[in-house]
Amino acid sequence: NAGVMQNPRHLVRRRGQEARLRCSPMKGHSHVYWYRQLPEEGLKFMVYLQKENIIDESGMPKERFSAEFPKEGPSILRIQQVVRGDSAAYFCASSPGQSEQFFGPGTRLTVL
Amino acid sequence: GENVEQHPSTLSVQEGDSAVIKCTYSDSASNYFPWYKQELGKRPQLIIDIRSNVGEKKDQRIAVTLNKTAKHFSLHITETQPEDSAVYFCAARENNAGNMLTFGGGTRLMVKP
Repeated sequence: NAGVMQNPRHLVRRRGQEARLRCSPMKGHSHVYWYRQLPEEGLKFMVYLQKENIIDESGMPKERFSAEFPKEGPSILRIQQVVRGDSAAYFCASSPGQSEQFFGPGTRLTVL
Repeated sequence: GENVEQHPSTLSVQEGDSAVIKCTYSDSASNYFPWYKQELGKRPQLIIDIRSNVGEKKDQRIAVTLNKTAKHFSLHITETQPEDSAVYFCAARENNAGNMLTFGGGTRLMVKP
């Protein structure tokens, strides 16, 4: 049973470009969470999704950020018109229900 | 919403000594408290967790205690080893439909051989 998968592991974008981060949850997990981690800081909740539904997006910036978890395929975190302040590690976690969350390896986004 | 404070931010111990990391939370409705270990450049890994109906839980050299009245919980690592060196995060989950974790700021543990 493969763990949570994320790709790409490293992503470099220039200011103004779009970043797309993908997360495939563990097999049997229908709950996906996205967290952001700035250097030397803790993880900050962004959004919680189940298949085709956004359950809680209270941690998402109001502009430029969006997330989806379609019926088929991975969950996508999309950042439009990236700025330098978006540079961070973005971690996805999954759980089978409201239980333990298991994290993926993260995507390290660098905005030039 | 929930707020989690974690102390200390850095902790240096000699190999074989014990290490204790403390966290406080603000929302009395929180009912689940996991601890994650994160090595440099790696993913956070769940090492132990405790639910609000339990006061203490132990797994080999790691133990977690929870004081619901005082709203604080602690991680105890005994007989520390150099491979325990990492950043440790506590977290709390509110008892609602959101299931989101609120993390502490992390503790960088250094175990000196």
